[in-house]
Amino acid sequence: DVKVTQSSRYLVKRTGEKVFLECVQDMDHENMFWYRQDPGLGLRLIYFSYDVKMKEKGDIPEGYSVSREKKERFSLILESASTNQTSMYLCASNPSETGELFFGEGSRLTVL
Amino acid sequence: GESVGLHLPTLSVQEGDNSIINCAYSNSASDYFIWYKQESGKGPQFIIDIRSNMDKRQGQRVTVLLNKTVKHLSLQIAATQPGDSAVYFCAENGAGGFKTIFGAGTRLFVKA
Repeated sequence: DVKVTQSSRYLVKRTGEKVFLECVQDMDHENMFWYRQDPGLGLRLIYFSYDVKMKEKGDIPEGYSVSREKKERFSLILESASTNQTSMYLCASNPSETGELFFGEGSRLTVL
Repeated sequence: GESVGLHLPTLSVQEGDNSIINCAYSNSASDYFIWYKQESGKGPQFIIDIRSNMDKRQGQRVTVLLNKTVKHLSLQIAATQPGDSAVYFCAENGAGGFKTIFGAGTRLFVKA
């Protein structure tokens, strides 16, 4: 079975803290994505990566950065968490430019 | 801007009935469309997809219809079951990009 694993299902952080969300896929996919999911807004793309050490901004990159040092791992970083970053974060991967996305279970972040 | 939207935020159906979930898209350059199902506490999962050179595609109990003239996509679920209760997202991809654009989602309730 294909698998995308997000290391933390639930996190509670304080305003100003640095937050790392980790994602690992075992499918040897080239592409990895970070989405944010908020009620009524669907999924919005934060960043994506099409190769190791490559990254591209999505639709809402402000306040976030990413790291892809290894093909299987894609990390989302909140340098200084703010309350408006309270959300569900979803990592996904796929092997081609178009095609279905394989999602992790999500990481629900609460920033107090 | 380009967007993918859903006509109804919630849909309630009787077990055994057929369900139809609708979606409008606005990017005429999109050439690939996907339906995802998201159960509570899980990430979205692929249900079925369709490319723009088709107008209908069938899977197991699900059918996707694409009307490019009016930029409309629908998901039909036959003999809806309690396990079909979830949020359904339509998504579009294409125009040479990595970005998949998601709609806001429709919550399907199945009444026993």
